[in-house]
Amino acid sequence: EAGVTQSPTHLIKTRGQQATLRCSPISGHTSVYWYQQALGLGLQFLLWYDEGEERNRGNFPPRFSGRQFPNYSSELNVNALELEDSALYLCASSLGGERNTEAFFGQGTRLTVV
Amino acid sequence: LAKTTQPISMDSYEGQEVNITCSHNNIATNDYITWYQQFPSQGPRFIIQGYKTKVTNEVASLFIPADRKSSTLSLPRVSLSDTAVYYCLVVGGAGSYQLTFGKGTKLSVIP
Repeated sequence: EAGVTQSPTHLIKTRGQQATLRCSPISGHTSVYWYQQALGLGLQFLLWYDEGEERNRGNFPPRFSGRQFPNYSSELNVNALELEDSALYLCASSLGGERNTEAFFGQGTRLTVV
Repeated sequence: LAKTTQPISMDSYEGQEVNITCSHNNIATNDYITWYQQFPSQGPRFIIQGYKTKVTNEVASLFIPADRKSSTLSLPRVSLSDTAVYYCLVVGGAGSYQLTFGKGTKLSVIP
């Protein structure tokens, strides 16, 4: 069974550009989480989607946005990139809904803003 | 969301048992305690989850006292490959299953 897949694995962008990161959850999972992890730091919660709806977002500016598609895959968009946006972006999926189950993480997308 | 507090770092020699304690004073009735492990440049990996008393799997044990305001992750006979960051999370309750990670505990295993 395929795990959580993220694309691309690496992304280099120039300051001011836009970046789009993609995540495919494990089959049957309806919840998708996005996290930002800057080098040497902990995971900062970005967004949580479940059943196509945004359930919560972390303390990030509006230029961080995303969506979840009918097949439960998800996209994270970062507009007007800043140097400080350089980080590992991790996506996780779980069964979701009102079920408390473990989350499975992808290998991440390493975003570098120059 | 219940806040968790755990030591920033710990050192241990190979072959020793390691216990990492996490406090979660405002844990709610429906919350579960969950631990994840993360290696550098990788996504976290689920280790163990429990509600009360003791849970054991092939990797670790989780001890939760009756008041559930703290929990202890126990790693038996650690090896160098157990060097990682360990996160304690409180998940669930009040319809919220959002995963919020704290700073974690960086465990360094010394040969």
